[in-house]
Amino acid sequence: NAGVMQNPRHLVRRRGQEARLRCSPMKGHSHVYWYRQLPEEGLKFMVYLQKENIIDESGMPKERFSAEFPKEGPSILRIQQVVRGDSAAYFCASSPLSADTEAFFGQGTRLTVV
Amino acid sequence: TQLLEQSPQFLSIQEGENLTVYCNSSSVFSSLQWYRQEPGEGPVLLVTVVTGGEVKKLKRLTFQFGDARKDSSLHITAAQPGDTGLYLCAGGDAGNMLTFGGGTRLMVKP
Repeated sequence: NAGVMQNPRHLVRRRGQEARLRCSPMKGHSHVYWYRQLPEEGLKFMVYLQKENIIDESGMPKERFSAEFPKEGPSILRIQQVVRGDSAAYFCASSPLSADTEAFFGQGTRLTVV
Repeated sequence: TQLLEQSPQFLSIQEGENLTVYCNSSSVFSSLQWYRQEPGEGPVLLVTVVTGGEVKKLKRLTFQFGDARKDSSLHITAAQPGDTGLYLCAGGDAGNMLTFGGGTRLMVKP
């Protein structure tokens, strides 16, 4: 049973470009969460999605960031017009039940904005 | 807003020593998870505790959930270089997101 798959593992973007990060949850998991981690820091919650619905986006910046989890295909975290401050590791996690149960993480996408 | 504070933030010890990492909050959680993260990788779930006072052991690691379900500790006996990593606690509250602590960065020197 494959774990949470994120791609790409590393992504380099120039300032002003768009970044698309993909996350395929574990088989049977319908809850997906995105977290951001800055160097030497812990994980900061961004958004919680179920299939076709955003449940909680309280941690997501109001501008330039969006997320979706379509009926078919992976969850996508999209960052428009990236800036240097967006450079971070972005982790996706999935769980089979509610938001407060165990979450299993992918290996992350390391975004570098140059 | 629920907050989880971990201490110490950094810990450097020699192989064979014992250590304890703490995770404290003023809020009550329905469950608490401990994760370990190695450089360049995602966090890996170590254990989940759900009952106040619960103690779980995983080889040389002992996890305890406080009686009031507001705090937790992780004790490592006879630490080894392979234990090096970032240890994260995360609290769960029914219907809400997991809240992560800031992490404890552990280095075990041979």
